[in-house]
Amino acid sequence: GESVGLHLPTLSVQEGDNSIINCAYSNSASDYFIWYKQESGKGPQFIIDIRSNMDKRQGQRVTVLLNKTVKHLSLQIAATQPGDSAVYFCAEALNGMIRTASKLTFGTGTRLQVTL
Amino acid sequence: DGGITQSPKYLFRKEGQNVTLSCEQNLNHDAMYWYRQDPGQGLRLIYYSQIVNDFQKGDIAEGYSVSREKKESFPLTVTSAQKNPTAFYLCASARTGGVNTQYFGPGTRLTVL
Repeated sequence: GESVGLHLPTLSVQEGDNSIINCAYSNSASDYFIWYKQESGKGPQFIIDIRSNMDKRQGQRVTVLLNKTVKHLSLQIAATQPGDSAVYFCAEALNGMIRTASKLTFGTGTRLQVTL
Repeated sequence: DGGITQSPKYLFRKEGQNVTLSCEQNLNHDAMYWYRQDPGQGLRLIYYSQIVNDFQKGDIAEGYSVSREKKESFPLTVTSAQKNPTAFYLCASARTGGVNTQYFGPGTRLTVL
């Protein structure tokens, strides 16, 4: 398969444990944040997003936490499964303008390895 | 089956040749994007388009060209001027205005022989 990150930080967790993936973002004016999951040889898949007027948002088995004071974003995955093994990217954007397209700035990614 | 398609999945090019990567979407999105991904790095923006017949350079546009003649299509040409074209290329699309999450295609792996 395609290798999307040979030298990425790696997080290893046991199946069933909770995973926490962290991301530091760069622009204090960013007001929209996304987490993507990328499996080997595939395009990034949207997981969850959060606006800057929130500090927590929950999805199915995933929670995103936003700390604007220290420009930090985290993704929590509950009861991690083998299918969660992938590279996870955070992205930030400055949204809010009508009829314009936002440009995302991506982090370098974290590889999640789920062990049995 | 809605979404974004990219073709081909794998592409090989000889040095000095131009190649064109296809990206099509049927999501009725106005905005489309091209990114390049290298091992150990995040995605870097090559070009983006907010509307038909309009596009802007991203962070690494040198050696690339695009066109946006139709809303559904945003082909990327990798020219011979691109000195290190071997990479994984990703296309994305999004609505414009407000919160506009980008959705990605499956990617094209380009290898220069």
